[in-house]
Amino acid sequence: NAGVTQTPKFQVLKTGQSMTLQCAQDMNHEYMSWYRQDPGMGLRLIHYSVGAGITDQGEVPNGYNVSRSTTEDFPLRLLSAAPSQTSVYFCASRRRIAGGPYEQYFGPGTRLTVT
Amino acid sequence: GESVGLHLPTLSVQEGDNSIINCAYSNSASDYFIWYKQESGKGPQFIIDIRSNMDKRQGQRVTVLLNKTVKHLSLQIAATQPGDSAVYFCAEPVSGGSNYKLTFGKGTLLTVNP
Repeated sequence: NAGVTQTPKFQVLKTGQSMTLQCAQDMNHEYMSWYRQDPGMGLRLIHYSVGAGITDQGEVPNGYNVSRSTTEDFPLRLLSAAPSQTSVYFCASRRRIAGGPYEQYFGPGTRLTVT
Repeated sequence: GESVGLHLPTLSVQEGDNSIINCAYSNSASDYFIWYKQESGKGPQFIIDIRSNMDKRQGQRVTVLLNKTVKHLSLQIAATQPGDSAVYFCAEPVSGGSNYKLTFGKGTLLTVNP
């Protein structure tokens, strides 16, 4: 299994541009999530999905959209990039198991810079 | 609101020594905790977890201790190796039934000196 894959690894955008960060997993996991990681802030949840066709907002959803048309893919869209969205973005997935364990598998991350 | 936090932002140890990384939590109803390791330029990697009905859990060279009285947990790494150099996060599921959402602490940077 490739696990959780993310593309691109690096991206530079100008303010106002839009783009999509790709995330895919081949473990047939029901749950997928997007996090952003900023220095001194830890990981913060942007959006998550509990299955195909179902998405919900996390802690910091503004400026981002997601969709989950298949179990495997969970793209994150930046609608109009802002410098405040400069961050490292991680996608994660895990199985739905009642009572846990809640181990999430993380992708390698996408480092985004907005100028 | 409820939060998971760390006492020390950095820890430097000598190779072969034992390392102890601490984490405080504020939600007394938390019933599950996870430790992640994040190496430079990589995504977090699961290390070990513990349920609130346990005080201690051991893995390979790692031990997690949970003290519910003071709402504190720690990750102990035995015979620390250079490959253990990383940022370590504790995390817990967000309460309220949404166990697929995790709250992460800010992390402790562990540096192992040869």
